[in-house]
Amino acid sequence: AQKVTQAQTEISVVEKEDVTLDCVYETRDTTYYLFWYKQPPSGELVFLIRRNSFDEQNEISGRYSWNFQKSTSSFNFTITASQVVDSAVYFCALISGGSARQLTFGSGTQLTVLP
Amino acid sequence: NAGVTQTPKFQVLKTGQSMTLQCAQDMNHEYMSWYRQDPGMGLRLIHYSVGAGITDQGEVPNGYNVSRSTTEDFPLRLLSAAPSQTSVYFCASSRNLAGGRGEQFFGPGTRLTVL
Repeated sequence: AQKVTQAQTEISVVEKEDVTLDCVYETRDTTYYLFWYKQPPSGELVFLIRRNSFDEQNEISGRYSWNFQKSTSSFNFTITASQVVDSAVYFCALISGGSARQLTFGSGTQLTVLP
Repeated sequence: NAGVTQTPKFQVLKTGQSMTLQCAQDMNHEYMSWYRQDPGMGLRLIHYSVGAGITDQGEVPNGYNVSRSTTEDFPLRLLSAAPSQTSVYFCASSRNLAGGRGEQFFGPGTRLTVL
């Protein structure tokens, strides 16, 4: 069984603050993939990043960065210098096992960036 | 490319009515799936397909049927709608989700209300 927990239901920050969204996952497989998706107020789901379990290197893309730590089963997402346009629901997701075909999502974190 | 398209965008049904949510993709993706999104619960997988003629159940399949006669189309059928099926439905496709090798592309969603 696989599970994703996003304990932060809602986060509110003021523009230009840094914010970290937490994601904790559970799986018994040694091979797995983690994802982050963004859902802005318009409702569509936008892919942000995919990482596999063999690559613990942190990744940075502009103001976005991801911290993958297998020791704590976490894949946290940080937005630096947040902007109003970052306001959205962010989902962490997991697929595990070499032949697994089901993506499990966390319950999401609603991020509101205030001007 | 149109990507993943879904119709209708909105639908209101009465309890007991049937309907089909349409999903199509023009990316020649093997993997297609249906999710429902409910407040506070993230996205939950209903059914998925790894190719034409092959479908399987996800986490919450009861009350829904699917078929995959072509690579492009993956309709979701509600045989007898119930208020518990009020939700936002997303269709997604991926080149190859097995093992997490492919990111999923999501359609714009269908907002269904069952009275």
